[in-house]
Amino acid sequence: DAGVIQSPRHEVTEMGQEVTLRCKPISGHDYLFWYRQTMMRGLELLIYFNNNVPIDDSGMPEDRFSAKMPNASFSTLKIQPSEPRDSAVYFCASSHTGAGYPEAFFGQGTRLTVV
Amino acid sequence: QKEVEQNSGPLSVPEGAIASLNCTYSDRGSQSFFWYRQYSGKSPELIMFIYSNGDKEDGRFTAQLNKASQYVSLLIRDSQPSDSATYLCAVNRRNSGNTPLVFGKGTRLSVIA
Repeated sequence: DAGVIQSPRHEVTEMGQEVTLRCKPISGHDYLFWYRQTMMRGLELLIYFNNNVPIDDSGMPEDRFSAKMPNASFSTLKIQPSEPRDSAVYFCASSHTGAGYPEAFFGQGTRLTVV
Repeated sequence: QKEVEQNSGPLSVPEGAIASLNCTYSDRGSQSFFWYRQYSGKSPELIMFIYSNGDKEDGRFTAQLNKASQYVSLLIRDSQPSDSATYLCAVNRRNSGNTPLVFGKGTRLSVIA
């Protein structure tokens, strides 16, 4: 398996623009997590899905952020409009219920810079 | 109080020495505990997990858990320059299953050749 795949790897955009981050989880994994990492706050959970259903989005910073998972192999995180304080590395991770322990496998991340 | 706390470091150790990384957590009902390694510019990768009080060894790595003290540690024996990275402690919340991991901010380890 190729692991969790995220795109793009890097994104530079201007303030006010819409940004869409994409994620393909590991095949067969039923949980998908979106995390954001900054130096100040570390790795923070934004939202997670189970079987494509959003379970907890309390970590989404504000209404400018939205996430969808239309099927088991694809998820998006959208920021509209983007702001400089959204600059961070965004990680997608997935895990499998039947694994016996909730290890999260991370994608390579998307480094977002909003100027 | 942060849910998971780690000393940010940097922790510097000479090559061949034992590196000791520590983590405390606030939720007494936490069930499982993980150590991830993150190289600069890369994604976190799992090194070890531990559920039960005591020690768990895997090669040069030993995880230690003390639930009464709400304390987890990672020992790296015979440290190598390639071990230089940020080590993230993660905790599974009370209602276990596949609930999301809560991460500390990480400790940066530097192994000096």
